[in-house]
Amino acid sequence: KQEVTQIPAALSVPEGENLVLNCSFTDSAIYNLQWFRQDPGKGLTSLLLIQSSQREQTSGRLNASLDKSSGRSTLYIAASQPGDSATYLCAVANNAGNMLTFGGGTRLMVKP
Amino acid sequence: KAGVTQTPRYLIKTRGQQVTLSCSPISGHRSVSWYQQTPGQGLQFLFEYFSETQRNKGNFPGRFSGRQFSNSRSEMNVSTLELGDSALYLCASSLEGPGRGMGEAFFGQGTRLTVV
Repeated sequence: KQEVTQIPAALSVPEGENLVLNCSFTDSAIYNLQWFRQDPGKGLTSLLLIQSSQREQTSGRLNASLDKSSGRSTLYIAASQPGDSATYLCAVANNAGNMLTFGGGTRLMVKP
Repeated sequence: KAGVTQTPRYLIKTRGQQVTLSCSPISGHRSVSWYQQTPGQGLQFLFEYFSETQRNKGNFPGRFSGRQFSNSRSEMNVSTLELGDSALYLCASSLEGPGRGMGEAFFGQGTRLTVV
């Protein structure tokens, strides 16, 4: 059974810092990994999708890496801004599993 | 291009009642998945439908059920509501489903269900 863990559970940083969020998974036979952002009481916004054959994906100030063999992914946020404050979730899909398994999320606060 | 639409956004129900939630996926998407989000358990998978067929089901009691229509719209039903069913219910759509094809999932804004 796939299990996904995110560390840290919460993070508070001053504006402008570069930061790294971590995601680990127990079963390396994944199809892809997706990072999401969730604002309080809202749905999930897709940030980055990494296929199992890829090592990283970039979108603006966000960069996500994937090391399938070690069961790890990191989300790097450059030059953080107060508007980045949200909960960040990673989710993995196994081959033809027809479901996503989510980590518990990292709650990020960026202080002005 | 319209996103995933969930209705209603908010619901208040009494214990013992039943409720039906609706999800309209992105046009052209044939897979719809449902998730329950609570502060204690996080996001948990309920079920996934593709072309009107349930392909996977999570570990929830039989009170939770769903269906998908020929236009890919999906509904989930919870019968005999319990206080513990209070949660944010999220729907996700994708072209072919998680773990298939491009596999990117897009989520709706959710339905906040409160059981009193």
